[in-house]
Amino acid sequence: QSALTQPPSASGSPGQSVTISCTGTSSDVGGYNYVSWYQQHPGKAPKLMIFEVSRRPSGVPDRFSASKSGNTASLTVSGLQPEDEADYYCSSYAGSDDYVLFGGGTKLTVL
Amino acid sequence: QLQLQESGPGVVNPSETLSLTCTVSGDSISNSIYYWGWIRQPPGKGLEWIGSIYSSGSTYYNPSLKSRIKISVDTSKNKFSLKLSSVTAADTAVYYCARVGSITRRFDYWGQGTLVTVSS
Repeated sequence: QSALTQPPSASGSPGQSVTISCTGTSSDVGGYNYVSWYQQHPGKAPKLMIFEVSRRPSGVPDRFSASKSGNTASLTVSGLQPEDEADYYCSSYAGSDDYVLFGGGTKLTVL
Repeated sequence: QLQLQESGPGVVNPSETLSLTCTVSGDSISNSIYYWGWIRQPPGKGLEWIGSIYSSGSTYYNPSLKSRIKISVDTSKNKFSLKLSSVTAADTAVYYCARVGSITRRFDYWGQGTLVTVSS
């Protein structure tokens, strides 16, 4: 199975909104509501931002929202702040044998 | 507060076996609503799921690595381990261990990661 497809980069100015897509197939993103999003700052471990397509763990600002349509999931960051500049990865459960796929990552730049 | 800490050699010779351990503190590794996983990230690249293990010992591996991987758990020591055999330079990466929600399938707690370089 191939990695999920994300745009390599995205950008926005402070206060603006930006959306990052994550495209898979009916065997992963489209087939299960187990899509997660992770934020990773340079030299740090990934941090869970969204799970089960659109749920936020406690402590994650509500500026972060997500959804899914068909085989594509999306993460939206509203009211961009400088600290949102990071790499973002999507992941999806892919069924048999607890297989997990990650996207290639998107570098978000806050201009 | 749950913490995970990876440990193991930072350099491994080509063709040898990479061995890492993840020590869990702040929760029992036997907690059935979670299981435990390994993820790696080559320098400058994205994340790759390696495999996962339940406290029962059931394992699930990335098919692309399955022939070279063994993940085990020691519930008495609250640790789980990764062995990757026949390593090459392509296995050079930061290796992370993480807790996984058994229902939500989310990696909610991660270790800080450890860089393993394959080099002679």
